Amino acid sequence: ETGVTQTPRHLVMGMTNKKSLKCEQHLGHNAMYWYKQSAKKPLELMFVYNFKEQTENNSVPSRFSPECPNSSHLFLHLHTLQPEDSALYLCASSQGEGTSGNEQFFGPGTRLTVL
Amino acid sequence: GESVGLHLPTLSVQEGDNSIINCAYSNSASDYFIWYKQESGKGPQFIIDIRSNMDKRQGQRVTVLLNKTVKHLSLQIAATQPGDSAVYFCAERYGTSYGKLTFGQGTILTVHP
Repeated sequence: ETGVTQTPRHLVMGMTNKKSLKCEQHLGHNAMYWYKQSAKKPLELMFVYNFKEQTENNSVPSRFSPECPNSSHLFLHLHTLQPEDSALYLCASSQGEGTSGNEQFFGPGTRLTVL
Repeated sequence: GESVGLHLPTLSVQEGDNSIINCAYSNSASDYFIWYKQESGKGPQFIIDIRSNMDKRQGQRVTVLLNKTVKHLSLQIAATQPGDSAVYFCAERYGTSYGKLTFGQGTILTVHP
């Protein structure tokens, strides 16, 4: 176990649904990340939060809405998704800016299927 | 038209052999590199990292080599075991954004008993 948990592990939703993905890290880190992993594509960074502040939005469509209430929790709110949004969504954490820790620890991911 | 996805490079080895997985990175200004391993159904797992002021770093059964001249990174796994079968990704970091890693496409390693 990496110390990063994600729920749910699997999610099937229709295009009109609203759902949320949750990530929690138990490592005392200050930076958290959302990545999208599609089949046969490199990992794509979506969002970065450092000390609860969003520092990166990698041109992600507004149907994906992140929320970081504290340094240990990260959410990804989903609404009116498209079938091409089906992918594995990975959360990661690291020590954060201004520290020497660059290594990112990943959760197991949420396998999302949009019908 | 139909979009064409990436065909991941594959490497098949026999148990006990040494494996070498290669990665070409994109930015000559990158200052930090990581190798990750991803097993089926799991998130990427850190293997080893290296800073740009080094050209070699060793871990337990793994060695990372960095050639900045040709922007090439390699991961060597000694005495490969069936449990090493996974997809291996390299990632680079450049610029002042500490957390922004750019990942390579991955290489599928299959170890045959």
